Amino acid sequence: GENVEQHPSTLSVQEGDSAVIKCTYSDSASNYFPWYKQELGKGPQLIIDIRSNVGEKKDQRIAVTLNKTAKHFSLHITETQPEDSAVYFCAASKGNNRLAFGKGNQVVVIP
Amino acid sequence: GAGVSQSPSNKVTEKGKDVELRCDPISGHTALYWYRQRLGQGLEFLIYFQGNSAPDKSGLPSDRFSAERTGESVSTLTIQRTQQEDSAVYLCASSPGWGSYNEQFFGPGTRLTVL
Repeated sequence: GENVEQHPSTLSVQEGDSAVIKCTYSDSASNYFPWYKQELGKGPQLIIDIRSNVGEKKDQRIAVTLNKTAKHFSLHITETQPEDSAVYFCAASKGNNRLAFGKGNQVVVIP
Repeated sequence: GAGVSQSPSNKVTEKGKDVELRCDPISGHTALYWYRQRLGQGLEFLIYFQGNSAPDKSGLPSDRFSAERTGESVSTLTIQRTQQEDSAVYLCASSPGWGSYNEQFFGPGTRLTVL
């Protein structure tokens, strides 16, 4: 099955700086790549997603880039704020209702 | 509107007992998913429902795990003869329709501790 790896496992950034989280996937048939944010004690929440026919997508301070050849995709957060501190999960799917998640990345924004 | 709700929020049980975890999806959402999240790990897919049918049960870790859904409403995940390795947060999600392109809305989870 699909194997999604996520790194680094923990990322600390100064408030205002950018944060980048990278994920790799194994199944070249995967065509949908969402990113979820999980705050302490809550369920994950979708923050942005990208389909395989697009190379980049932006939503305010958040962007996702996809490199299908290399089978990796990245989450970019610019002008980080303390409320961006959370665990971020990437996932991949072949459109079969089954998402394969990475292990998560703890982002800490230092005020 | 109301989001996905799960109950109980916490459950402590003794090894060998059965437990039932409940999920109430967002009204009108036809798809429902169960995941397991072990400490410090990602989400492990268990099962999903389209309506009350479960096309993919391959993620269930053993025959001690089962799930059912009433129509397009509440779902229960049952773990029989619980083991310590079953300790985890069990997350439920629902989505408006068929296919992975539909956003999955997650509940807050049930934290299960097996002593």
